[in-house]
Amino acid sequence: DIQMTQSPSTLSASVGDRVTITCRASHSVRTSLAWYQQRPGTAPKILIHRASTLLSGVPSRFSGSGSGTEFTLIISSLQPEDLTTYYCLQYDSYPWTFGQGTKVEIK
Amino acid sequence: QVQLQESGPGLVKPSETLSLTCSLSGASISGYYWSWFRQPAGRALEWIGRVHRTGEIIYNPSLRSRVTLSVDTSTNHFSLKLTSVTAADTAVYYCGRDPGEWPSDIWGQGTMVTVSS
Repeated sequence: DIQMTQSPSTLSASVGDRVTITCRASHSVRTSLAWYQQRPGTAPKILIHRASTLLSGVPSRFSGSGSGTEFTLIISSLQPEDLTTYYCLQYDSYPWTFGQGTKVEIK
Repeated sequence: QVQLQESGPGLVKPSETLSLTCSLSGASISGYYWSWFRQPAGRALEWIGRVHRTGEIIYNPSLRSRVTLSVDTSTNHFSLKLTSVTAADTAVYYCGRDPGEWPSDIWGQGTMVTVSS
């Protein structure tokens, strides 16, 4: 299985801050990497696929980059509704595997 | 509007079989893959497997010996069976639609399953 490692596990930031979350894969996943946002008690919501392609309706303050084994999710200006947990998912090979999550908290 | 809804027992006894159904509304089950995921409380998501109406099924090897996925095009739902459950199978279980070009973009609300005697 491909192991996905996210960092940091928890991130403290203020509204308006630029936030960066990293996801590293144990083997290359090319660009088959998605980012999900999950609010407490709700299902995950896909934000980005193919490492950098925003899904329709996702605010432009979210962006993704990377390929191979290292990927980044950036929130350019953190908003109150962004304070929640984010997961990366590799879907290049089976089994699909998630990172352990990054919780974004208010500083 | 495409919606998914998981259903099944909230409580299952150890060693028994967990059976869940995901009902699709607003679209046909044809043409997509359909995935199952689970998430123990406070922990990360785990992909269980995916199924296509053609019968193609991909399982997570970690659960392969205990899980069976199926799809019923006549009723527009797909199902998960997990045998010999233990407390480690306690989790929220989600179903999702896979468009093919990217992973699950529409999810059910999730159903909590507790394994306990």
